[in-house]
Amino acid sequence: AQSVTQLGSHVSVSEGALVLLRCNYSSSVPPYLFWYVQYPNQGLQLLLKYTTGATLVKGINGFEAEFKKSETSFHLTKPSAHMSDAAEYFCAVSDGDSSYKLIFGSGTRLLVRP
Amino acid sequence: DTAVSQTPKYLVTQMGNDKSIKCEQNLGHDTMYWYKQDSKKFLKIMFSYNNKELIINETVPNRFSPKSPDKAHLNLHINSLELGDSAVYFCASSLKSEAFFGQGTRLTVV
Repeated sequence: AQSVTQLGSHVSVSEGALVLLRCNYSSSVPPYLFWYVQYPNQGLQLLLKYTTGATLVKGINGFEAEFKKSETSFHLTKPSAHMSDAAEYFCAVSDGDSSYKLIFGSGTRLLVRP
Repeated sequence: DTAVSQTPKYLVTQMGNDKSIKCEQNLGHDTMYWYKQDSKKFLKIMFSYNNKELIINETVPNRFSPKSPDKAHLNLHINSLELGDSAVYFCASSLKSEAFFGQGTRLTVV
């Protein structure tokens, strides 16, 4: 069975500081991995995804993530936080294109201090 | 144009009532979903439909009945609403692995 663990329900950074949101997964098959962002009272928006190929994936709004199979991790980073990055971030896993569901982590609330 | 749209956005109702949430996607995707987000923001899949056929039913109480009249629509009907049904319900669609989500329906049962 697949699962996702996001360490830290809340992460607080100063504006301009590095953002690091952690995600570890468990999967018996090569996983597809995703990061979604949810702004207050909004739906989920895809930030980036890893399916196959290059393990460093770049997404929207300056975010990127690196798939590390040996560590079963897919951490999300951004070099410099903006106030507008404050939101809930979800890591998710699926077992490929024929999968009919995403398994989500419990989410991490990113707070950005002025 | 909204890719995945759900109505209503907010729904407040009394225990025991029956209510429906509608979802439509204009992306031409074959697969549609309902997810439930609880008060702790945890997201869990409820149903998956592919080409109007039910693929996944994640042990959801049978008070919840999805219906897909065509590939572009997936509605969710809930009978005999309970306090514990209060949550945000998200509709989504996908072509392959990438899912697109609607804005959510916040259901409050009082």
